[in-house]
This record gives sequence, C-alpha cells and structure tokens, in this order.
Amino acid sequence: NAGVTQTPKFQVLKTGQSMTLQCAQDMNHNSMYWYRQDPGMGLRLIYYSASEGTTDKGEVPNGYNVSRLNKREFSLRLESAAPSQTSVYFCASSWTGGETEAFFGQGTRLTVV
Amino acid sequence: QKEVEQNSGPLSVPEGAIASLNCTYSDRVSQSFFWYRQYSGKSPELIMSIYSNGDKEDGRFTAQLNKASQYVSLLIRDSQPSDSATYLCAVPRGGYNKLIFGAGTRLAVHP
Repeated sequence: NAGVTQTPKFQVLKTGQSMTLQCAQDMNHNSMYWYRQDPGMGLRLIYYSASEGTTDKGEVPNGYNVSRLNKREFSLRLESAAPSQTSVYFCASSWTGGETEAFFGQGTRLTVV
Repeated sequence: QKEVEQNSGPLSVPEGAIASLNCTYSDRVSQSFFWYRQYSGKSPELIMSIYSNGDKEDGRFTAQLNKASQYVSLLIRDSQPSDSATYLCAVPRGGYNKLIFGAGTRLAVHP
C-alpha cells in the first residue's frame, strides 16, 4: 500500500516562480490536509479539505491555493513563490476529519531563492 | 494564546528513565487528543490517541488527559535511545475537521 504520496520530494524555485505540489492517497480517506513545517514551529495547517468538493483555510493560507481534484488528490499551488515559503511541506489524509488518525506523506523540501 | 502549546525542549533523559511530555490546549470543547512522533527528516506518525479523562496505556507509553485543566501529557517509561525524536501534540478544531499541532517537544535519550 502506497498510503500518501507527494511529489516532488525536493524543489528549488526562484522568487516569483509558481509551482504545484501534488498529493494522492489510496486509502479512500475523506479528509486531506496540507501543512508546512519550519524549525521550532511544529506543523502549521495551510489548507484542508474535509471531503471531496470542499476546501477551507487553515492557520497560514496566505500565498497558497489548493484544489481537491477528486477524492484521491489534493494539490497545493504557490502562485508567486517567496523566500518566506521555504519550508518542508507535508500532505496528510484521514478517514474523516481531525478525529481519526492522520497519515502523512514523505514531505516536500522546498527552497525559494 | 496558541491553540496547542508544548515546551520545545530539548528534554534530555537517561536511558531507562521516564520521559514526561506535556501539552496544553485552549479550547475547552476539544474532545480528542493525539500524540505523534517524528524522527528527524521523517514524517509524523501516530503513537497515542486519548478521548476520556484519565490514563491510557499502550506498552511503554501512557497518555494522561485532564480536561478541567486543559492539558494532556505523554509518559514514556524505560526510555530508549530509539525514542529520541520530536513529539507532537495534536487537537482537532473547528468542527473537528482541522487538525492543529503544537510546536513539538524534542526528546533526547542518552545512554
């Protein structure tokens, strides 16, 4: 079982470039999440999707957009990358909402220069 | 006040000792609480969940919940060097669809 798969694993962007981080899960989970992790800051929620067709802002949504393409896939887009978006990004999914165990992808290490 | 707060550590304990990790949360209506472990360079993984006041034990791990005081703790008995990791406390919020994490406590178990 692949679980939660994120692509790419590493990425370097120049300031102002755009990119999309891809996430797919094969566990038939309803809820999906995007987090960023910076040193000493823990995991901060960017956006989440409680179910297919819905998305909501998390704690730090500015500078990001998301698309819940279908039940399996939840993408995160940076329209105009900034150095402050240098971080490790994790996608996660859970059966339903935050009350059930969340499974995480392997992370994407993004550097914006 | 942050929604979920943890001491960042590092918490250093000798091998075989009990490690005690604490977490406080701001929303009194929270009903579920989770502890995740994250090794350096890896993804978080769930190790404990707790829903009722009191203690919940799973092997060397015990989660303790006190809703009146709004804190949840994790005890690791007989700590091993392999327990060295960052421990993240997580609480569902916003109608339980948002899973919010604390900043994590880094634990170092030395031989």
